[in-house]
Amino acid sequence: DVKVTQSSRYLVKRTGEKVFLECVQDMDHENMFWYRQDPGLGLRLIYFSYDVKMKEKGDIPEGYSVSREKKERFSLILESASTNQTSMYLCASSLGTSGSFVDTQYFGPGTRLTVL
Amino acid sequence: GNSVTQMEGPVTLSEEAFLTINCTYTATGYPSLFWYVQYPGEGLQLLLKATKADDKGSNKGFEATYRKETTSFHLEKGSVQVSDSAVYFCALGGGNKLTFGTGTQLKVEL
Repeated sequence: DVKVTQSSRYLVKRTGEKVFLECVQDMDHENMFWYRQDPGLGLRLIYFSYDVKMKEKGDIPEGYSVSREKKERFSLILESASTNQTSMYLCASSLGTSGSFVDTQYFGPGTRLTVL
Repeated sequence: GNSVTQMEGPVTLSEEAFLTINCTYTATGYPSLFWYVQYPGEGLQLLLKATKADDKGSNKGFEATYRKETTSFHLEKGSVQVSDSAVYFCALGGGNKLTFGTGTQLKVEL
């Protein structure tokens, strides 16, 4: 079974702090994704990556950056956390067959981030 | 651009009732369609998918048929159980990403 793990289930940070959210997958998937999930808005794509050191902006990249130094690990960085970044953050990975981004995605359990 | 519209919840049903959650989409080209489910406290997991028109995806008693003529992918189950209580997301795969609907919460009571 594919396993996607996220470093924390719950996180509380203060406004202005730098925040790192880590995600690791164990199935040698090419693609990795970061979403945020908010009530009434569903899932919105922040960033995705199709290879080591490669990244692409999603629909709502403002205020976020990412890092993918190793194939299995994809980090989301909030350079200066703000209260409007309080949300559930979900990481996902997919096989990436022939460069496809629409393979089945496998999700981690999520990190609920609260910014005070 | 691509978009997915699904019925708002919560949907509350008695055990063994019939379930329909509506999903319609707007897309260019020939997208793949998915239903994901999120159980309380967990991430999303794939429930079923269909990759072309008239395909039927099925899993765990749930079914959905890719209807190109009505741009729909409605989720159905003949007899729901309490354990089906979760949030259900319809998603469209096209271009270089998945586009998700806003989710429909299902509550099944005894």
